[in-house]
Amino acid sequence: NAGVTQTPKFQVLKTGQSMTLQCAQDMNHNSMYWYRQDPGMGLRLIYYSASEGTTDKGEVPNGYNVSRLNKREFSLRLESAAPSQTSVYFCASSEEGLAAAYEQYFGPGTRLTVT
Amino acid sequence: TQLLEQSPQFLSIQEGENLTVYCNSSSVFSSLQWYRQEPGEGPVLLVTVVTGGEVKKLKRLTFQFGDARKDSSLHITAAQPGDTGLYLCAGGDYGGSQGNLIFGKGTKLSVKP
Repeated sequence: NAGVTQTPKFQVLKTGQSMTLQCAQDMNHNSMYWYRQDPGMGLRLIYYSASEGTTDKGEVPNGYNVSRLNKREFSLRLESAAPSQTSVYFCASSEEGLAAAYEQYFGPGTRLTVT
Repeated sequence: TQLLEQSPQFLSIQEGENLTVYCNSSSVFSSLQWYRQEPGEGPVLLVTVVTGGEVKKLKRLTFQFGDARKDSSLHITAAQPGDTGLYLCAGGDYGGSQGNLIFGKGTKLSVKP
């Protein structure tokens, strides 16, 4: 099992450009999440999807959109990138269930720089 | 707003030493997870504690959940260079949005040979 995979690993964008970060999991998990990690700020939830067809905002959703394409895939889109979106982005997944939802499995991350 | 504060922020020790990392909050959590993150990689789940006072052991790592479920500690015995990494605690509130974890900012541990 590959677990959670993310593409690309690194990306440099100019301000105003758009891009989509891809995430896929092969663990048959219902729930998927997108986080950003910044120095001194810890991990912050951007969006999550409790099940296929549903998405909800997390703590820092502004400037982002998501698509839960199917049970395996959850993408994050930056429509007009800004320097404040320079960060490391992690995708995670978890099983359904009251306790299991908090045991999350993370991908290797995408390191994004916006100039 | 629920917050988790971790201390210390940084810890540099010699191989063989013992250490304790703390995770504190003023809020009650339904469960608390500890993750370890190595440079350039995503966090990896180490343990989940759910019962107040619970103690779990993972080889040389001992995790404890406070009686009131507001705090937790991670104790490492005889640290090794392979323990180097960022240790993150994360709390879950079963009454809130499912799966929404609150993360602490982490303790960066460096174990020198």
